[in-house]
Amino acid sequence: DTGVSQDPRHKITKRGQNVTFRCDPISEHNRLYWYRQTLGQGPEFLTYFQNEAQLEKSRLLSDRFSAERPKGSFSTLEIQRTEQGDSAMYLCASSLVGSNSETQYFGPGTRLLVL
Amino acid sequence: RKEVEQDPGPFNVPEGATVAFNCTYSNSASQSFFWYRQDCRKEPKLLMSVYSSGNEDGRFTAQLNRASQYISLLIRDSKLSDSATYLCVVNTGNQFYFGTGTSLTVIP
Repeated sequence: DTGVSQDPRHKITKRGQNVTFRCDPISEHNRLYWYRQTLGQGPEFLTYFQNEAQLEKSRLLSDRFSAERPKGSFSTLEIQRTEQGDSAMYLCASSLVGSNSETQYFGPGTRLLVL
Repeated sequence: RKEVEQDPGPFNVPEGATVAFNCTYSNSASQSFFWYRQDCRKEPKLLMSVYSSGNEDGRFTAQLNRASQYISLLIRDSKLSDSATYLCVVNTGNQFYFGTGTSLTVIP
């Protein structure tokens, strides 16, 4: 399967714990995006990378959230001191900039539940 | 004001019906436009890109009106398998903005 993959698919944690999610984009894609989605809402932008550079971060991304893409391939999203409000689906998407129209392809998401 | 606004529905239509969804966007400099489909507890999947000239893919037709800043999706001859949430997506060049989605249920 050469699509976007995410790990883990589900995570249950207790409030105050740290969690880390991984995303592996489509191999030739140079952009990687992180989104958060809650029930009844569309995906909300968190941050994106072009190659290894983090180019933009949403105001939604508090200082408890950090993302990296160290070698311009896979990316990690870490949430420190989780809160119940962090419970959501975390989606990763990748795209190839430079083609006629940048199109995003999504991974299956990581569903986080904070107890 | 939200970047992208959609009627959340729900739309409940019988099999074979034609249904249309509209979406408006606020940034006149938006560059590209898409419709995604999202099934319950799954990731969004690209349905089609939307071009200024309008485009069609089988039973699906997408239109873009830049002057009025709205995008539409028309589904003809609805199938049970079309039941899903349809997300309108706008790319400003730096970010993709998603609508809240429109829920469609096709009834036998």
